[in-house]
Amino acid sequence: LAKTTQPISMDSYEGQEVNITCSHNNIATNDYITWYQQFPSQGPRFIIQGYKTKVTNEVASLFIPADRKSSTLSLPRVSLSDTAVYYCLVGSNAGNNRKLIWGLGTSLAVNP
Amino acid sequence: EAGVTQFPSHSVIEKGQTVTLRCDPISGHDNLYWYRRVMGKEIKFLLHFVKESKQDESGMPNNRFLAERTGGTYSTLKVQPAELEDSGVYFCASSQDWGLESPLHFGNGTRLTVT
Repeated sequence: LAKTTQPISMDSYEGQEVNITCSHNNIATNDYITWYQQFPSQGPRFIIQGYKTKVTNEVASLFIPADRKSSTLSLPRVSLSDTAVYYCLVGSNAGNNRKLIWGLGTSLAVNP
Repeated sequence: EAGVTQFPSHSVIEKGQTVTLRCDPISGHDNLYWYRRVMGKEIKFLLHFVKESKQDESGMPNNRFLAERTGGTYSTLKVQPAELEDSGVYFCASSQDWGLESPLHFGNGTRLTVT
């Protein structure tokens, strides 16, 4: 299973775009890249998932280069409520199960 | 729809005691997962139920941990006897399908403190 590396923390200001990059050098052919968000005292919440190129939803965009050894979560125009820990996970459907490895995540602080 | 609920939200017990954590998944979700995060460490997978069957329990630390999901609805995770290193936050998650295309929905966790 691929291990991921993310910055421990990031700071930003309201209204800015935030890009969080995750390295996953050992990603396997069948692996997908998934991002979760976690607020204090809550469980993680799914944000976005992709396999290659670019994926966009109402919350974020996910950019994945051709070699797939890294990915970037882009949060447009962040607000104070986006202060949270963001986890990058890499995993695949293995048999009848999913295998995901969690890292320590990136603690994003959005300042006024 | 109601989310994944976990009970209790906090539990403080003494070493050697027994604790039972409960998880109610989203209605209709056949897949139920238990995870744990020890202070300062990563979230780690414990086990996965498909309905009432244990699909994968490779993450269970040892035989002091027993997970059940009778009837394929709610699940319990019992720790008996509890040890100091069992302290952490236990998360439950559920999903409609087992594949990655079906996102995990997490509860808010049970914070277990063993003293």
